[in-house]
Amino acid sequence: EDQVTQSPEALRLQEGESSSLNCSYTVSGLRGLFWYRQDPGKGPEFLFTLYSAGEEKEKERLKATLTKKESFLHITAPKPEDSATYLCAVQAEGGSEKLVFGKGMKLTVNP
Amino acid sequence: DSGVTQTPKHLITATGQRVTLRCSPRSGDLSVYWYQQSLDQGLQFLIQYYNGEERAKGNILERFSAQQFPDLHSELNLSSLELGDSALYFCASSAGANEQFFGPGTRLTVL
Repeated sequence: EDQVTQSPEALRLQEGESSSLNCSYTVSGLRGLFWYRQDPGKGPEFLFTLYSAGEEKEKERLKATLTKKESFLHITAPKPEDSATYLCAVQAEGGSEKLVFGKGMKLTVNP
Repeated sequence: DSGVTQTPKHLITATGQRVTLRCSPRSGDLSVYWYQQSLDQGLQFLIQYYNGEERAKGNILERFSAQQFPDLHSELNLSSLELGDSALYFCASSAGANEQFFGPGTRLTVL
């Protein structure tokens, strides 16, 4: 069964304090790994898709990387507006295009 | 704004009742997905439709059903509601097996 584990469950940072979020996954065959950001009471907002080990993508203060078993979301010099829950999901090869999500990581950035 | 719309935003009903949630995908997207998000389970895939046909099913209860209409909007029907059905219900759409874009969600409260 496809599985995604995110750690830590919650993280508090000071503004400007860089850190990384971890997403470990097991999947029969990886079609894609997705990162989303979710604000309270809102729908997940798409951030990145990674398809193969070694791939990296960047957007503003965020950088996502992928290995064969993990993905990392690096946050450089975060700002309070980066506070949100970050969700990792995998999509397996095969007929279904469903996303299997981790439980998320709640990030709080204090000014 | 993802381009995916969902109505209603909030729904409060009683146990045993039936409700219908509606979703309009992004223009041009043929796939619609339904997910349930509860505090303890995270985001769970329910069902996928592609161009009017059911493509994949997740852990969707028999009391729940969905359909996608010729104009590509989709409805999720929940019947014989129980307290445990209280959750956020999200619709997402995609153009093929790529990133899914989520709507703002419907918050269902069963009293």
